[in-house]
Amino acid sequence: KNQVEQSPQSLIILEGKNCTLQCNYTVSPFSNLRWYKQDTGRGPVSLTIMTFSENTKSNGRYTATLDADTKQSSLHITASQLSDSASYICVVSSSSGSARQLTFGSGTQLTVLP
Amino acid sequence: DVKVTQSSRYLVKRTGEKVFLECVQDMDHENMFWYRQDPGLGLRLIYFSYDVKMKEKGDIPEGYSVSREKKERFSLILESASTNQTSMYLCASRQQEFLNSPLHFGNGTRLTVT
Repeated sequence: KNQVEQSPQSLIILEGKNCTLQCNYTVSPFSNLRWYKQDTGRGPVSLTIMTFSENTKSNGRYTATLDADTKQSSLHITASQLSDSASYICVVSSSSGSARQLTFGSGTQLTVLP
Repeated sequence: DVKVTQSSRYLVKRTGEKVFLECVQDMDHENMFWYRQDPGLGLRLIYFSYDVKMKEKGDIPEGYSVSREKKERFSLILESASTNQTSMYLCASRQQEFLNSPLHFGNGTRLTVT
């Protein structure tokens, strides 16, 4: 059964600090991994996508990594801001391409305090 | 920017009522999805639609049905609402020909069944 596990479940940091969120997956065959940000009361919004051949990708203060051998991804947030407070969801797509083959993690709830 | 609009942010219904959740997208996307989101469980797929009048069951279709008569509109129907259907419901759309394209989500409908 395909699974995506995220850690930690929740995280509290002070504004300006860095943090790293983890995503481990057992999805086969693998196509891509995407990180979404979900603000309170809003739908998730895509931050970045990692395909099999990519190791690192940055989007502003967000840097995602992918290790396809160990089936792990991380999302690193640099110089956190209050607006980074949100749930971060890891979603892995199987290469079957079917709409059914998206496996969601349960998210990491990040709180950034002033 | 893609806009996915869900007709209600909050709904309170009684057990046994028939409930309609409406979703409209403005980018001519072929694929549309209904998910429910519960704490600690992540997003779970209820139904999806590849195109007009086409639908396919997701992982938790029991107690739900859907309708897609027009490309831009995808409706979720709770035939006889029950308390265990109290949840956040998220609609999403995606371009079919680009399977690496992201899901675009609405802001959700929080349904309470009493």
